[in-house]
Order: sequence, then structure tokens, then C-alpha cells
Amino acid sequence: TQTVSQSDAHVTVFEGDSVELRCNYSYGGSIYLSWYIQHHGRGLQFLLKYYSGNPVVQGVNGFEAEFSKSDSSFHLRKASVHWSDSAVYFCAASRSNYNVLYFGSGTKLTVEP
Amino acid sequence: DAGVTQTPRHEVAEKGQTIILKCEPVSGHNDLFWYRQTKIQGLELLSYFRSKSLMEDGGAFKDRFKAEMLNSSFSTLKIQPTEPKDSAVYLCASSLGGGASEQYFGPGTRLTVL
Repeated sequence: TQTVSQSDAHVTVFEGDSVELRCNYSYGGSIYLSWYIQHHGRGLQFLLKYYSGNPVVQGVNGFEAEFSKSDSSFHLRKASVHWSDSAVYFCAASRSNYNVLYFGSGTKLTVEP
Repeated sequence: DAGVTQTPRHEVAEKGQTIILKCEPVSGHNDLFWYRQTKIQGLELLSYFRSKSLMEDGGAFKDRFKAEMLNSSFSTLKIQPTEPKDSAVYLCASSLGGGASEQYFGPGTRLTVL
């Protein structure tokens, strides 16, 4: 069984600040990790994913995430946030040959002006 | 470029009614998923189809929830009979399939059961 945990339910930063949203996973086999964003009242949108290779992956809108096997983590970062980044962010894991996503509980990011 | 379409966007039902939610995946996608989203439980998988074959039918939802994929471009989720605890947002997603395929989500249907 896979589990994905996002320890921060809410994160508030100011526009222009950097931010890191944390994600930890538990799974013994080959795993895909991804991040999705959900703006209020809308469906989820894909941001980025990792399977192998360079542990730092780049996504849309300046987001990047870093995989760490030793920490079982896949934290999402952005160097300078914009008010439009305010949304709920979900970390997700899936097995290498089975496309079902197991989601974390989400982190609501609020960017203050 | 059409994304995932879901209808209706909002549905209000009386307890005990039958409701049917609809989803049209992205053209050419092989995998289709139904999720339920609530504040307390978060995102829960209801059903997963691969090339129209049911791969996973969320165990806790089997008795009153039935998803079908009649053709590669249309899926329905039937809830029968509805209960107030079914009030949630129901999300449909599709993907190309294979490992690490990102999922494309529809806007969701917000269901309220009175």
C-alpha cells in the first residue's frame, strides 16, 4: 500500500517570497511522484512528475520539485510566488505500471499581496 | 483542444433518488478515472477504466456506485440510491495510459443530497 502525506494543511506567504510545500511518501517499489494544483472550484491540473534520473524536475510556471529517496520526499518549491499561485496543491504517487494516483491530503497555499 | 467534460456541473438530489453523472474524456485517452472529493476524506478513487475495461472499483463504494464506460468517449457514474453523505465533488479524469501518464481532470460535478 502506498501512502502520501502532506504535513502542512495551510501555508501563507507574501507575493515574491519563496515557498516549499512538503510531501512524503511510503512505498517499497518503483514509484511515480507528481504534483497537481487545484484552483478554487476547478479540477486538478498537472504540474510536474518524477520517475527516474535527475532528482530535480521542472514544471510549469516556475515550479520545481526535488525527489529524495533517503528522506522519502518530493517537496515542491517556487522561488518567487505570485498571487495567482494561491490554490490547493496535491502530491500524488502511482506505481510504475498502474496509473491510479494516490493523493495526499493537499496543502492550501495563500499568497498575500 | 477539448479537455475533460463533465455534466452537470451542479446536481441537487433528494435522499433515495438515482442520479447519473456524465464524463467525456480527452479524445484518444485510454484511461478514465472517477474520484470523489470531500474536505474530510480528500480525493478517493471510485473507478478506473483502461481501454473501457474496469480495472478497479473502489471497494467502499461498490454497493451504491456504478461506473460504466459505454464507449471510449463517454462514461457515466450512477449513484443509487443517494444518501446525504454522498454530497461531494465528483471528478472525472483521463490519461493516455501507461506508466507516469499525467491525468487530465474535468471541472467536477458538485452533488448535494438533501
